[in-house]
Amino acid sequence: GAVVSQHPSRVICKSGTSVKIECRSLDFQATTMFWYRQFPKQSLMLMATSNEGSKATYEQGVEKDKFLINHASLTLSTLTVTSAHPEDSSFYICSARTLAGAGYNEQFFGPGTRLTVL
Amino acid sequence: GQQLNQSPQSMFIQEGEDVSMNCTSSSIFNTWLWYKQDPGEGPVLLIALYKAGELTSNGRLTAQFGITRKDSFLNISASIPSDVGIYFCAAFSGGSNYKLTFGKGTLLTVNP
Repeated sequence: GAVVSQHPSRVICKSGTSVKIECRSLDFQATTMFWYRQFPKQSLMLMATSNEGSKATYEQGVEKDKFLINHASLTLSTLTVTSAHPEDSSFYICSARTLAGAGYNEQFFGPGTRLTVL
Repeated sequence: GQQLNQSPQSMFIQEGEDVSMNCTSSSIFNTWLWYKQDPGEGPVLLIALYKAGELTSNGRLTAQFGITRKDSFLNISASIPSDVGIYFCAAFSGGSNYKLTFGKGTLLTVNP
């Protein structure tokens, strides 16, 4: 149980184009999904918290107009990198929190999406 | 902001050896989690700890939630080559946003 998928696993795009990454919870419902970015040999950096049916909450320094997040259902959140530039190249990982009680704080992570902007 | 100090940053050990890594903080947390990340993959949850003093095992892995609620350790016994990877501690302090704070990771290399 508690499987999270991401699509695509790898994407290469030209500078200036937009890229959409999907995150799905396959066998559970997730009211909250999180988007992280990870640079080589570094830890995960939280970009935004996404709650189903409401606007995402972005971390300080993350441009909300550049990284568009939509959490349209309890099993799907999308991250769109708009007008991508080479410095946006990174490993993007989503996670999902189950609906279990307030004290249950495990997050289950997707396999990640490697974005390369040429 | 809250920070987790994870150590060591990296470890090189021989197969069969035991490993220990830990995370400390100046802040109090309600939940401690340990994840393993293989290259090119997302983190996988190894152990979750919900109560101060709790000691939990998962096969060869054992983790403890410190009684001060400011630290946690992870032990791996009798390491094998597939234990190679990056291990992250993460912790949650409370609040409705459920955000986790992550350590910087421990890179484990196991020589066969």
